[in-house]
Amino acid sequence: NAGVTQTPKFRVLKTGQSMTLLCAQDMNHEYMYWYRQDPGMGLRLIHYSVGEGTTAKGEVPDGYNVSRLKKQNFLLGLESAAPSQTSVYFCASSWTRIGAGELFFGEGSRLTVL
Amino acid sequence: GESVGLHLPTLSVQEGDNSIINCAYSNSASDYFIWYKQESGKGPQFIIDIRSNMDKRQGQRVTVLLNKTVKHLSLQIAATQPGDSAVYFCAENMGTASKLTFGTGTRLQVTL
Repeated sequence: NAGVTQTPKFRVLKTGQSMTLLCAQDMNHEYMYWYRQDPGMGLRLIHYSVGEGTTAKGEVPDGYNVSRLKKQNFLLGLESAAPSQTSVYFCASSWTRIGAGELFFGEGSRLTVL
Repeated sequence: GESVGLHLPTLSVQEGDNSIINCAYSNSASDYFIWYKQESGKGPQFIIDIRSNMDKRQGQRVTVLLNKTVKHLSLQIAATQPGDSAVYFCAENMGTASKLTFGTGTRLQVTL
């Protein structure tokens, strides 16, 4: 049981390049989330999904897109990377809504945009 | 590992002592609160939670206290061990919203 797995763990991009972060969970969870973590700012919610085929905007969605084509996967895309998107990205999942089920986090993906 | 914060407040505690980590939350309508532990290079890990209809909840070596009057949350760790060294975050949730709002974190350093 791997839990929540994020790939890649590290990536360096040039400004304007695109990339996709993949989050996979093997716990059959309905809810999945993408957060970014920056120094001194805690974790901020980018996008989330309450089930296969659904997505919704979080606190800081601009510059990112997501897709949830399969229940176990939640993809985070950057179409044109900017230095402000340099951050550590965390994916999380839960079997139900916050407050009724524990949130499980992946180990993070460090992205640097030059 | 990832740097979770270059300017985090830091609490230094001697091994065996009790630790108290504080958090001020922002939204008076929040009704669910969680404490997370994040070790270097890892994702946040659930420690303990509490609902707004309670003012205290205990787990194994940890206690969370909630003071809704002043919007304050604290995490008490008994008999702190070296393995408790990490960054600790509080998070709040308001009702049915699928969103957790995280605090900026406190680094706990356990000295021998």
